Amino acid sequence: DQQVKQNSPSLSVQEGRISILNCDYTNSMFDYFLWYKKYPAEGPTFLISISSIKDKNEDGRFTVFLNKSAKHLSLHIVPSQPGDSAVYFCAALDTAGGGADGLTFGKGTHLIIQP
Amino acid sequence: DTGVSQDPRHKITKRGQNVTFRCDPISEHNRLYWYRQTLGQGPEFLTYFQNEAQLEKSRLLSDRFSAERPKGSFSTLEIQRTEQGDSAMYLCASFWTGRTEAFFGQGTRLTVV
Repeated sequence: DQQVKQNSPSLSVQEGRISILNCDYTNSMFDYFLWYKKYPAEGPTFLISISSIKDKNEDGRFTVFLNKSAKHLSLHIVPSQPGDSAVYFCAALDTAGGGADGLTFGKGTHLIIQP
Repeated sequence: DTGVSQDPRHKITKRGQNVTFRCDPISEHNRLYWYRQTLGQGPEFLTYFQNEAQLEKSRLLSDRFSAERPKGSFSTLEIQRTEQGDSAMYLCASFWTGRTEAFFGQGTRLTVV
């Protein structure tokens, strides 16, 4: 039972264009969401996060949007650069639960930026 | 380097052997997590320490797995009688209570042959 779903295993985007990665969740107790970026043979690197009290958070080229009613979030990268090619994981946290279960991750989306 | 470090980076072992991995978290972080990632999947929670206390264990953690965090500093994850299904990337993450961003180590890639 996947509580965090990333339905696109891969996404190909042209350099300079916008990359949009999507994530859906089912557990209404999740109140904090994070995006991690992962290169092969390395651990995930934190990218950006958003609390459920917000609907948007922006950091440079990265913006995360949260639609609580739809239980949907998305990561926008603009403009996309070759170094953005990686696997992106969406993760969710139930902070009221004390974080004991840690982060719940989706399966990831492999973003490929084409020159 | 003050990030999370894991040792070894790679481990190849024969089925039935025991293996032990080490994680050194960021020094001021009191929470430490172990995750396992297999191909095509996201990281899956295994177990969690707050300081030296192991507070939560996933159903994924069979009795062949044991984790410790003596003195609330580094942690070890031991797998006894390894099986081919144990082949995976084992990730350690740490963060400070009250914060939500977990910082990951580079992982230990285990291959059981």
